[in-house]
Amino acid sequence: DQQVKQNSPSLSVQEGRISILNCDYTNSMFDYFLWYKKYPAEGPTFLISISSIKDKNEDGRFTVFLNKSAKHLSLHIVPSQPGDSAVYFCAAKGPGGKLIFGQGTELSVKP
Amino acid sequence: DAGITQSPRYKITETGRQVTLMCHQTWSHSYMFWYRQDLGHGLRLIYYSAAADITDKGEVPDGYVVSRSKTENFPLTLESATRSQTSVYFCASSRASYNEQFFGPGTRLTVL
Repeated sequence: DQQVKQNSPSLSVQEGRISILNCDYTNSMFDYFLWYKKYPAEGPTFLISISSIKDKNEDGRFTVFLNKSAKHLSLHIVPSQPGDSAVYFCAAKGPGGKLIFGQGTELSVKP
Repeated sequence: DAGITQSPRYKITETGRQVTLMCHQTWSHSYMFWYRQDLGHGLRLIYYSAAADITDKGEVPDGYVVSRSKTENFPLTLESATRSQTSVYFCASSRASYNEQFFGPGTRLTVL
């Protein structure tokens, strides 16, 4: 049973436009959410996080929004750049500190 | 070099063989983790360790064994490899359970 879901396997966006990556979760006990970015042949790298007591966190071009009532979070990238092309994983931290990852969304930013 | 390293980066083995994947970190992080990445499943936790000599199962532990005799090393052993264990394996570490995790570059394992 997938507790963290990224329903879009891929997303294609034009350079300069906004990229919106979505993530849904089922467990209301999750209290911390993270986004990781992964390039081919490399390990995932931490991008941005949000605590369940907030509804928005911003870091430069990256903003994460959390809607607890809908159990939904999203990552906005504005403006999108070709170097943002990667696989993005959302993750939720549950009891014991273990991370539960979504399936990933492959973002392609076209020049 | 500082950071988290994995070896080997690529490994091909046969069904039934024992394989050990190595993970080494230089940050003295308490927590270390092993994940596997498969298409359609994202990253799934195999085992994790909160400190030396303390390990616990994750979501998909069957067929794997871990040990942690030293803080900096966390080897993952497939005692009798099966084709279903063909995957990309990532090791990660963090200072504490609530901190972000830092990932190694991964090991691509193929079991024939």
